[in-house]
Amino acid sequence: EVQLVESGGGLVQPGESLRLSCAASGFTFSSDGMNWVRQAPGKGLEWVGYITSSSSTIYYADSVKGRFTISRDNAKNSLYLQMNSLRAEDMAVYYCARDKLLSWGQGTLVTVSS
Amino acid sequence: QAGLTQPPSVSKGLRQSATLTCTGNSNNVGNQGAAWLQQHQGHPPKLLFYRSENRPSGISERFSASRSGNTASLTITGLQPEDEADYYCSAWDSSLSVVVFGGGTKLTVL
Repeated sequence: EVQLVESGGGLVQPGESLRLSCAASGFTFSSDGMNWVRQAPGKGLEWVGYITSSSSTIYYADSVKGRFTISRDNAKNSLYLQMNSLRAEDMAVYYCARDKLLSWGQGTLVTVSS
Repeated sequence: QAGLTQPPSVSKGLRQSATLTCTGNSNNVGNQGAAWLQQHQGHPPKLLFYRSENRPSGISERFSASRSGNTASLTITGLQPEDEADYYCSAWDSSLSVVVFGGGTKLTVL
């Protein structure tokens, strides 16, 4: 069974940083690209970025480019999202999702507030 | 980054059929097709289709998807109460090198 488990969310002040993790199991993690997708409270889905299986190429949404960094450790079956200079508008549930959006985690909530 | 266009809401009766639409352009939906996701309140999204017509295992055959030009469609037949949810489409935009989502359609089963 495919499982994606996000962690690392919490309450931070504007301008601070946070690192999210996504632990994967049940599939060959090293063979699949991975996405981060977020959803602000009561809003729709917003794509954050994508990393290829080998980390050779990483794409970002304009809204996070230069502030967020996606990385992965295939030896640990883990995906990461480093979020710097957080803003109020970054507050959302953050999901990791497998390539083609095949599988999703339960999400982790990031709250940005002073 | 402009998103895909979906109607905000659709209402249909129990056991009726509903068709949801998603309009993009030749760089996204018209290029590689669209994915369709279902999200119930308080739960993560669930993939129904990828690249317009590919159904992952375990998805009910009451769900079908198609594409015509730059518009993708999701049809649900024999509507059940559990089909009431938000439905999102998404696609890779080859011009912008980003994934774009539609704003979502809230399906109400009357």
